[in-house]
Amino acid sequence: GIQVEQSPPDLILQEGANSTLRCNFSDSVNNLQWFHQNPWGQLINLFYIPSGTKQNGRLSATTVATERYSLLYISSSQTTDSGVYFCAVRLYSGGGADGLTFGKGTHLIIQP
Amino acid sequence: SQTIHQWPATLVQPVGSPLSLECTVEGTSNPNLYWYRQAAGRGLQLLFYSVGIGQISSEVPQNLSASRPQDRQFILSSKKLLLSDSGFYLCAWSRMLGNTEAFFGQGTRLTVV
Repeated sequence: GIQVEQSPPDLILQEGANSTLRCNFSDSVNNLQWFHQNPWGQLINLFYIPSGTKQNGRLSATTVATERYSLLYISSSQTTDSGVYFCAVRLYSGGGADGLTFGKGTHLIIQP
Repeated sequence: SQTIHQWPATLVQPVGSPLSLECTVEGTSNPNLYWYRQAAGRGLQLLFYSVGIGQISSEVPQNLSASRPQDRQFILSSKKLLLSDSGFYLCAWSRMLGNTEAFFGQGTRLTVV
């Protein structure tokens, strides 16, 4: 099956710093999503970005589908940004309902 | 707007007892539905998905089963829980065509004792 690798696995930053999280995937995809898992376990949708660039406030994401990677940028980090960030992809499946394949996540800690 | 409800939020069950987790989606019709599990630590694994009533596909062999008795209802079950069934279970939905962005419920934290 498709492989999804996220880096770095852990990241500790001071409040106000910027960060870049990377997601590499091994096959062509028709869905790529970034999630933030909060301390209560809930998965918060950040971006649906199978290709191109999107921005939402201090967060932005870029997916280069032809090179099979995606980047999540967090600027001016706040303590509330702490948590685990997941990248998840879905293969082209000819109309099936195959679910998402998740990476192992990046555990981000923002220190005050 | 669409919403997804999942309950209970937490559950402690003895080994050998049955399990039933329920997930319902509002505000959409004919969604794709999914059950995922997150074991201790990170990483979510797809357990089951469904494209319609009574249609269930299993991704991994396990002690669990799923059913879809209604269009927007998805149930995860077990006849006899094992210690290894402990984990965080999340239900999700997506549209069948076009934008297939997935949305997750709040999750159920299951501890088998």
